[in-house]
Amino acid sequence: AQRVTQPEKLLSVFKGAPVELKCNYSYSGSPELFWYVQYSRQRLQLLLRHISRESIKGFTADLNKGETSFHLKKPFAQEEDSAMYYCALSGNNQGGKLIFGQGTELSVKP
Amino acid sequence: NAGVTQTPKFQVLKTGQSMTLQCAQDMNHEYMSWYRQDPGMGLRLIHYSVGAGITDQGEVPNGYNVSRSTTEDFPLRLLSAAPSQTSVYFCASSYSIRGGRGMNTEAFFGQGTRLTVV
Repeated sequence: AQRVTQPEKLLSVFKGAPVELKCNYSYSGSPELFWYVQYSRQRLQLLLRHISRESIKGFTADLNKGETSFHLKKPFAQEEDSAMYYCALSGNNQGGKLIFGQGTELSVKP
Repeated sequence: NAGVTQTPKFQVLKTGQSMTLQCAQDMNHEYMSWYRQDPGMGLRLIHYSVGAGITDQGEVPNGYNVSRSTTEDFPLRLLSAAPSQTSVYFCASSYSIRGGRGMNTEAFFGQGTRLTVV
């Protein structure tokens, strides 16, 4: 079965602290992993794709197939990072379908 | 470039009423999907389409119908609204890099429709 698990509903850190949002997945084939972000009163937007292997807004995420994880990391959190973060999975040849995790709300305090 | 447009933004229905949530995209994307967002449950796929005339069920299709007569439009119909359908609904579109059903690109989302069924 395809499944994405984000174990933390809420993650609260202080500005400048490191952040790690956890994501584990279950998929029998070769998955594509994404992180989407939803800022307050805005639509969901793509933050990262594992295949791009890039850093966006200081965030990085590495696909670990052995641990079936795709954790999102940032060394120094900023207040503007406060948002809802969703990890999502898509399988190849799946016609754009995304399986989302439950979401983690990140709160960065001043 | 409007991207993905959903209407209405807010709606209140009485139990048993029917309605259609509209979704339109102007990016010529082949894939379109409907999700519902509920607290603690993330986004769950309701229905999706890989092209005009082709639709399929997602994880939570019961109580909803879709059709895809054009590439641009993908309306979601609630047949007989129930309080359990109170949720925020998101439409999304994307395309495949290699065409057909290959590697997926970024999904573009609408701004959402907040539906309350009383």
